[in-house]
Amino acid sequence: AQSVTQLGSHVSVSEGALVLLRCNYSSSVPPYLFWYVQYPNQGLQLLLKYTSAATLVKGINGFEAEFKKSETSFHLTKPSAHMSDAAEYFCAVSEGPNFGNEKLTFGTGTRLTIIP
Amino acid sequence: EAQVTQNPRYLITVTGKKLTVTCSQNMNHEYMSWYRQDPGLGLRQIYYSMNVEVTDKGDVPEGYKVSRKEKRNFPLILESPSPNQTSLYFCASSSRGSQPQHFGDGTRLSIL
Repeated sequence: AQSVTQLGSHVSVSEGALVLLRCNYSSSVPPYLFWYVQYPNQGLQLLLKYTSAATLVKGINGFEAEFKKSETSFHLTKPSAHMSDAAEYFCAVSEGPNFGNEKLTFGTGTRLTIIP
Repeated sequence: EAQVTQNPRYLITVTGKKLTVTCSQNMNHEYMSWYRQDPGLGLRQIYYSMNVEVTDKGDVPEGYKVSRKEKRNFPLILESPSPNQTSLYFCASSSRGSQPQHFGDGTRLSIL
């Protein structure tokens, strides 16, 4: 069964500082991994996705994530935080069509606060 | 414009009164899904559908029903709502479950 763990329900960083949001997954097959962002009172938007191509994935708004199979991790980073990055971030995993099961599992989310 | 449309956006109702939340997408997507979002629990999948007349349970299906009679529509039915179903609900669609989801704007349900 697939699962996702996001370490840290709240993360605060200063404007201009490195953003690091942690995600560890569990999957019995090579996973499909996603990061989504949710701004207040909105639905979720895709930031980036990993689908077994390059292990370093670049997304929108300067975010990127690195797939590390040995650590079962898919941490999200951004070199320099901006005030507009304040939002809730969700990591998600799917085992894809390999077993005919396209269930998608989300982590519990990390709320990112940017300190001016 | 590519859209997932949910209605209503807000609903306050009472225990036991059947309700339906509609979801429609205009992207010809095969995969559609319902999630509920609760503080501290993230998004949990209720039901998903891989195509017309093909539906399957997610992580928290109890108390919910769905149907997929047409490709574009995927309504969520609460036959006898209870207060523990008070939540923020999202519908999403994609070409496959392993592909990025397009989310609706959410439906906030309050069951008194």
